[in-house]
Amino acid sequence: QKEVEQNSGPLSVPEGAIASLNCTYSDRGSQSFFWYRQYSGKSPELIMFIYSNGDKEDGRFTAQLNKASQYVSLLIRDSQPSDSATYLCAVSQGAQKLVFGQGTRLTINP
Amino acid sequence: GAGVSQSPRYKVTKRGQDVALRCDPISGHVSLYWYRQALGQGPEFLTYFNYEAQQDKSGLPNDRFSAERPEGSISTLTIQRTEQRDSAMYRCASSRKLAGHNEQFFGPGTRLTVL
Repeated sequence: QKEVEQNSGPLSVPEGAIASLNCTYSDRGSQSFFWYRQYSGKSPELIMFIYSNGDKEDGRFTAQLNKASQYVSLLIRDSQPSDSATYLCAVSQGAQKLVFGQGTRLTINP
Repeated sequence: GAGVSQSPRYKVTKRGQDVALRCDPISGHVSLYWYRQALGQGPEFLTYFNYEAQQDKSGLPNDRFSAERPEGSISTLTIQRTEQRDSAMYRCASSRKLAGHNEQFFGPGTRLTVL
């Protein structure tokens, strides 16, 4: 079992709809959870982080964390073509190390 | 510039040569991380520093890989006797805090190609 698992996609969503990205992790001791967006040929860009169970909203983005189920998700409302990218889930392991999933490729169709 | 910088952006070398990759973190960031990213995969942890002290090098693939951060700012990742399997994107990140919840910010990466 991989430490951090994501569906590699591609996930195709029509413009204006909600995109839902999911991630599961294996280390119950993980305390910090991050979502990075990576455009093709570019470096990962931090877009959301969540540390407590529940929802955290920032603009069109909502991160959801359920530690009991070891599950974290990212919702993107009113999806735009500019949201088309690979989304990487990252989970803390130990004090500072991050373990990344393989990423989900998201395509927003106009 | 306000972000993490890395140099060179591209490095092509012949098998058996040594290479040094440089990372300059965001000003004031005390922690610095090295990752390696293969195409179609997420970054894979290599090592990290708090100030000048290397805290964890468990991700370094073998003893050909080493890293240092002698003055607690700029860091160098050195690969000795490069092999074709070392070809990858090498990414550096930095964070403001030592522990607890620490958001990491990535640089543009160095694309290493070993011929």
